[in-house]
Amino acid sequence: EAQVTQNPRYLITVTGKKLTVTCSQNMNHEYMSWYRQDPGLGLRQIYYSMNVEVTDKGDVPEGYKVSRKEKRNFPLILESPSPNQTSLYFCASSWSGPNYGYTFGSGTRLTVV
Amino acid sequence: GENVEQHPSTLSVQEGDSAVIKCTYSDSASNYFPWYKQELGKRPQLIIDIRSNVGEKKDQRIAVTLNKTAKHFSLHITETQPEDSAVYFCAASKGTSYDKVIFGPGTSLSVIP
Repeated sequence: EAQVTQNPRYLITVTGKKLTVTCSQNMNHEYMSWYRQDPGLGLRQIYYSMNVEVTDKGDVPEGYKVSRKEKRNFPLILESPSPNQTSLYFCASSWSGPNYGYTFGSGTRLTVV
Repeated sequence: GENVEQHPSTLSVQEGDSAVIKCTYSDSASNYFPWYKQELGKRPQLIIDIRSNVGEKKDQRIAVTLNKTAKHFSLHITETQPEDSAVYFCAASKGTSYDKVIFGPGTSLSVIP
């Protein structure tokens, strides 16, 4: 089944404790992206990647890191999480770029206390 | 950078009536406009999209129209059903690989039986 797999689904952590949210797609998609969803603000892009080893900042990259060492994987790293990073995070991928529709992962609900 | 506005933020309609959601974008170079539906607790899913070389696209009860001159596009849902109740997001991108996808803040649609 074609899908984007995110883990974990839920995560509660403490301020400053490094964490990684994993994202993997099995569709050989080139473009991958991370979004955070907050009430009233919609989906805001954190980082995106056009292909292996090629990434760029979205609109809200502060406090986040990404890497794309393999085409299928695009982990999101929070090196020192803060409470304002409490949010619902979605990974998404598309076939060949931002001008093709996304397939979204199931989301990660992150709470930083 | 690109900014996408969406109206209304909430919309209630009677079952069987039509619903219209409008989005405006700021960057005249944008050329790809998808719409996503997010049911409660679920991931966003692509329902329809339109490219700048097309003025209208239809898929059963759903249609999207694009006015490039005015820089706005709209989602039309006819003969609404309770299962259409969800949050709908519009988005815009310039369609090159090295580019963001910017989402509107969302419209919460309620279809009253």
